Amino acid sequence: GAGVSQSPSNKVTEKGKDVELRCDPISGHTALYWYRQRLGQGLEFLIYFQGNSAPDKSGLPSDRFSAERTGESVSTLTIQRTQQEDSAVYLCASSFGTAGTQYFGPGTRLLVL
Amino acid sequence: GESVGLHLPTLSVQEGDNSIINCAYSNSASDYFIWYKQESGKGPQFIIDIRSNMDKRQGQRVTVLLNKTVKHLSLQIAATQPGDSAVYFCAEKTQGAQKLVFGQGTRLTINP
Repeated sequence: GAGVSQSPSNKVTEKGKDVELRCDPISGHTALYWYRQRLGQGLEFLIYFQGNSAPDKSGLPSDRFSAERTGESVSTLTIQRTQQEDSAVYLCASSFGTAGTQYFGPGTRLLVL
Repeated sequence: GESVGLHLPTLSVQEGDNSIINCAYSNSASDYFIWYKQESGKGPQFIIDIRSNMDKRQGQRVTVLLNKTVKHLSLQIAATQPGDSAVYFCAEKTQGAQKLVFGQGTRLTINP
């Protein structure tokens, strides 16, 4: 596609529920990244994929967070047993190789009630 | 630890004037720097980047300056327009690392 796309654009869920966020990277981009942005803050790195493998998961805040990528394309970020502090914008970026410029999608705005 | 921060959280500029947004970084191993623009409700948009072997790079109406001696980065926007109003983030990356480390952002407002 023309750019990185993410779905849903907005998600409201109840505390304790699981959520799945989806990212479609730019076609041909081998590297994919997830970041989290709390209100009024900068972006925090969560995880990145090179192809389908995730060499760096250091940013995942807890074991409730997981991500996978299949077919060197779509990635899903799953948050289990959501907590109110998980409320944030979750941004996905992709790049052509890990040295390439990271281009961001529009984000998924998650609100946990 | 590594950190990237901004000197000014908000900046107001008259339309047509030039603006300068500053950023300080603490990791001397950083070798790649990038500026993003984020409008309300949107993801960050790439503006310009610079590698540590350069001290200046120019784009269309934008210039990034890098001073490695004092670990300082700046973004200059010439002849500002209302569409330049947004939050601007600097980010850095160290060689061999893949993640970007972001500053807190500066909100730029262009007054008509």
